[in-house]
Amino acid sequence: EAQVTQNPRYLITVTGKKLTVTCSQNMNHEYMSWYRQDPGLGLRQIYYSMNVEVTDKGDVPEGYKVSRKEKRNFPLILESPSPNQTSLYFCASSSLGEQYFGPGTRLTVT
Amino acid sequence: AQSVAQPEDQVNVAEGNPLTVKCTYSVSGNPYLFWYVQYPNRGLQFLLKYITGDNLVKGSYGFEAEFNKSQTSFHLKKPSALVSDSALYFCAVRDDYGQNFVFGPGTRLSVLP
Repeated sequence: EAQVTQNPRYLITVTGKKLTVTCSQNMNHEYMSWYRQDPGLGLRQIYYSMNVEVTDKGDVPEGYKVSRKEKRNFPLILESPSPNQTSLYFCASSSLGEQYFGPGTRLTVT
Repeated sequence: AQSVAQPEDQVNVAEGNPLTVKCTYSVSGNPYLFWYVQYPNRGLQFLLKYITGDNLVKGSYGFEAEFNKSQTSFHLKKPSALVSDSALYFCAVRDDYGQNFVFGPGTRLSVLP
């Protein structure tokens, strides 16, 4: 089954404790992306990757890092999380058109 | 830079009636336009897209959208709404280079029985 998986699905953490949210796709897509969803703001792109070792900033990259060492994986790293990064995070992948989204990761930073 | 506007936070419609969810966009170059739906506690599901060709695009679950270049709009429509269509709908635009997707703020559709 073609899918995008994210882990963990839910995470509660404290300010400053480094964390990684994993994302993996099995569709051999070149393009992958991370978004955060906040009420009234829709989805805002954090980072995207056009291919292995090629990443670029989206609209809200501050406080986040990514890496793309393999085509299927695109982890999101929060080196020092802060409460304003409490949000719902989605990973997505695509080939030529529409994106396929993961189920989301709800992150709470206290 | 691209932008997407969805002028209505909420749309209410009676079951069986036609529905329209509005979207306008701004992009340099050719627009690549998408509609997604999000059900409670779920990820986003693709509904339909406009890349080129016919201005009326048909998608999943009986939805369609009309691309209007002069009005820079891409409104989502369905001839007869179902209660199960109640969800959050997002319009999105991608630029020519395929690098940056921009989403609108979302419109919550409620279909009343």
